[in-house]
Amino acid sequence: DVVMTQSPLSLPVTLGQPASISCRSSQSLVSSDGNTYLNWFQQRPGQSPRRLIYKVSNRDSGVPDRFSGSGSGADFTLKISRVEAEDVAVYYCMQGTHWPWTFGQGTKVDIK
Amino acid sequence: QVQLVESGGGVVQPERSLTLSCAASGFTFSSYLMHWVRQAPGKGLECLAVIYPDENKRYYADSVKGRFGISRDNSKDTLYLHMNNLGVEDTALYYCARDPGGTYDSWGQGTLVIVSS
Repeated sequence: DVVMTQSPLSLPVTLGQPASISCRSSQSLVSSDGNTYLNWFQQRPGQSPRRLIYKVSNRDSGVPDRFSGSGSGADFTLKISRVEAEDVAVYYCMQGTHWPWTFGQGTKVDIK
Repeated sequence: QVQLVESGGGVVQPERSLTLSCAASGFTFSSYLMHWVRQAPGKGLECLAVIYPDENKRYYADSVKGRFGISRDNSKDTLYLHMNNLGVEDTALYYCARDPGGTYDSWGQGTLVIVSS
């Protein structure tokens, strides 16, 4: 199985400051169709996961533009340009290229 | 709008069986791959099984292969997860999720399964 490794696992951030989460996969996530199926999900306490980013850098409708995704191959990053209180959540990267799809361990973002 | 509603969870004894359902609405269910994903209490997310739109392909994670079965009834817009020989390690919140291709774009609210004697 593809191992997804996130860092850090805990990220205290000051309101209004940027945050960055790294996600590395144990093998390339470039699919045979040329797409890279790397996704980012946000899970607020007590809620189901919500997709923020798909195919590395495509932001979902309704997702604030302070969220951005980047990367290629096996190295990816989620950035929040200015953290707001509503961003307190656990963030997961997930690869949808190789079955079984696998998630990172999750990064807990909270306010300092 | 897209809606996925899981049901069928509860408390079950070890080695027993349970079937979960996921009722879909707001989209053409028969056109999408569908998955089951679970989350143990306080833990991360684990993809369990996927079924193709016409049921001709199904894939499972090793952790549930041989014990769990995924199925769907496109006439009822419903996804199922048949779970056999449950163990305490299967205690989790079980989600169904829609797959438009390499991702999950919609999730249900989950149904909780507790395996306990």
